[in-house]
Amino acid sequence: EDKVVQSPLSLVVHEGDTVTLNCSYEVTNFRSLLWYKQEKKAPTFLFMLTSSGIEKKSGRLSSILDKKELSSILNITATQTGDSAIYLCAVRIQGAQKLVFGQGTRLTINP
Amino acid sequence: DAMVIQNPRYQVTQFGKPVTLSCSQTLNHNVMYWYQQKSSQAPKLLFHYYDKDFNNEADTPDNFQSRRPNTSFCFLDIRSPGLGDAAMYLCATSGSDEQFFGPGTRLTVL
Repeated sequence: EDKVVQSPLSLVVHEGDTVTLNCSYEVTNFRSLLWYKQEKKAPTFLFMLTSSGIEKKSGRLSSILDKKELSSILNITATQTGDSAIYLCAVRIQGAQKLVFGQGTRLTINP
Repeated sequence: DAMVIQNPRYQVTQFGKPVTLSCSQTLNHNVMYWYQQKSSQAPKLLFHYYDKDFNNEADTPDNFQSRRPNTSFCFLDIRSPGLGDAAMYLCATSGSDEQFFGPGTRLTVL
């Protein structure tokens, strides 16, 4: 069964800290890995990582795909209270239209 | 510019009273999805359409049905809502690997 596991499930840090969120996957035929941010509404797309694009960066956020370890990390530097959200990792499988989601990491940034 | 639109944003229904949720898209994507998301859980895929081809997840209850009359619109019908169906319902579209989500409809069942 295809599976995506995120850790930690919950994380509380102070504003200005750097955080690293983890996502590991066991799927039959990997195609791509996606990160989403979800506040009190629908998930918004952050990054997509594939075999040909294993590192992405946007401002204070960056993500790396490790195909050997079947995992990805999402880094957020100089965190702000607006970064508080649930971060979802999802994997797309070759030949399938659907995403397999992890449980999410709830990140709380305290001022 | 709204790309995936869901109506209504909030829906209250009574136990057993049918309800229809609506999703439309301006992206001309060929795949549309319906997810159910309960508090503190990841979105759970109910079904998706690839063009007109309907794909039901094995564990989606029969109580949930869907219609896609054209590329732009997709509907989720809940025939007899139970208290356990109270959740956020998310519509998403995809033209490639990325999925774009609508704002969701929060369903309350009284």
